[in-house]
Amino acid sequence: GAVVSQHPSRVICKSGTSVKIECRSLDFQATTMFWYRQFPKQSLMLMATSNEGSKATYEQGVEKDKFLINHASLTLSTLTVTSAHPEDSSFYICSASSVSSYEQYFGPGTRLTVT
Amino acid sequence: KNEVEQSPQNLTAQEGEFITINCSYSVGISALHWLQQHPGGGIVSLFMLSSGKKKHGRLIATINIQEKHSSLHITASHPRDSAVYICAVVGNQFYFGTGTSLTVIP
Repeated sequence: GAVVSQHPSRVICKSGTSVKIECRSLDFQATTMFWYRQFPKQSLMLMATSNEGSKATYEQGVEKDKFLINHASLTLSTLTVTSAHPEDSSFYICSASSVSSYEQYFGPGTRLTVT
Repeated sequence: KNEVEQSPQNLTAQEGEFITINCSYSVGISALHWLQQHPGGGIVSLFMLSSGKKKHGRLIATINIQEKHSSLHITASHPRDSAVYICAVVGNQFYFGTGTSLTVIP
């Protein structure tokens, strides 16, 4: 099946710094990628939807200037958490859907800890 | 071998039928999610479970930690329930099932 990777799998950063998370579709072209986050003991929450070559669509309550999403190619989307704070500590997960199908494939997630 | 197995892969039901989707997993987990995806859309989280049973409207989710098994039930199914249902477990990372595509026919 289709494979989506995320890098890094874990990251620890200091408050005030920025962190970039990569999401790659390894064996298919992804026209649409989704970014989610899960806070401890809570369900997944959709943050934004990104389409290749256009601006991401953010869900209500998600700050687009804080969570910068770039989907510059059909195989790569990046999420940059700018000026991270401890409350941004979370599991960040991406998923991707291919050109020919609405089926989504999920990355394994990135655990961000902000100290 | 997939850490999370769902069955069935595809399911077609008549409106009003009771539906069950199953999920088995092989890793130690802290929680299990049932997710719903409509065509072209993002994921909607239906339930998060760590034990027992939860109910929301016509949806019921159960989990048996000892047997490493969970079920999602839909009572009085409706065409708008047509979607892909995904089981995901949280261990040291997220593991996702491949999804069950449900079509409810009027």
